[in-house]
Amino acid sequence: NAGVMQNPRHLVRRRGQEARLRCSPMKGHSHVYWYRQLPEEGLKFMVYLQKENIIDESGMPKERFSAEFPKEGPSILRIQQVVRGDSAAYFCASSSQGGNGYTFGSGTRLTVV
Amino acid sequence: GQQLNQSPQSMFIQEGEDVSMNCTSSSIFNTWLWYKQEPGEGPVLLIALYKAGELTSNGRLTAQFGITRKDSFLNISASIPSDVGIYFCAGQLMGSSNTGKLIFGQGTTLQVKP
Repeated sequence: NAGVMQNPRHLVRRRGQEARLRCSPMKGHSHVYWYRQLPEEGLKFMVYLQKENIIDESGMPKERFSAEFPKEGPSILRIQQVVRGDSAAYFCASSSQGGNGYTFGSGTRLTVV
Repeated sequence: GQQLNQSPQSMFIQEGEDVSMNCTSSSIFNTWLWYKQEPGEGPVLLIALYKAGELTSNGRLTAQFGITRKDSFLNISASIPSDVGIYFCAGQLMGSSNTGKLIFGQGTTLQVKP
């Protein structure tokens, strides 16, 4: 019974490139959450998705960031034209129903050089 | 925006000592959660609290949901070296239960000297 799987674990991108972060929720989970963690800080909510729908994107930057959770396949967090300030750990969590009983993945550490 | 103030920021203690950390806010929460994060990993849930005044234990860990709904504390008794890590409080604001969105504290870094 695999947990929340995120890949890649580490991602290095040059400024201006695109970053695509993948999250496969736990089996049977249809709710996915993305959080960002800057060094020495707590996690900050970005977006909440349920299969094919964005439920709450109040934490997403207005530009360059997008998220999807298609009917088939993993959830994707996409960052276009990355800048140094995007360097952070990005965590995904999933649950079987809305609410806070969710499990976090091990995260993707994005470094923009 | 909503904010959780977590203290202390860091602690360096001797093995066997008890540890206490807390979170406060000016906002009212309907859920308080305590997580532990180890280097290179995601947060792992330790204790969940759902009712004001609730006191819950998980082994050597004890946490309470403040009666005002604006604070929570976590105690660790008889610390051991594997307790090392960063502890985060997280809360869900009243009225946001249908989204599951959590607000995290800044974390307490715990180091234990054998």
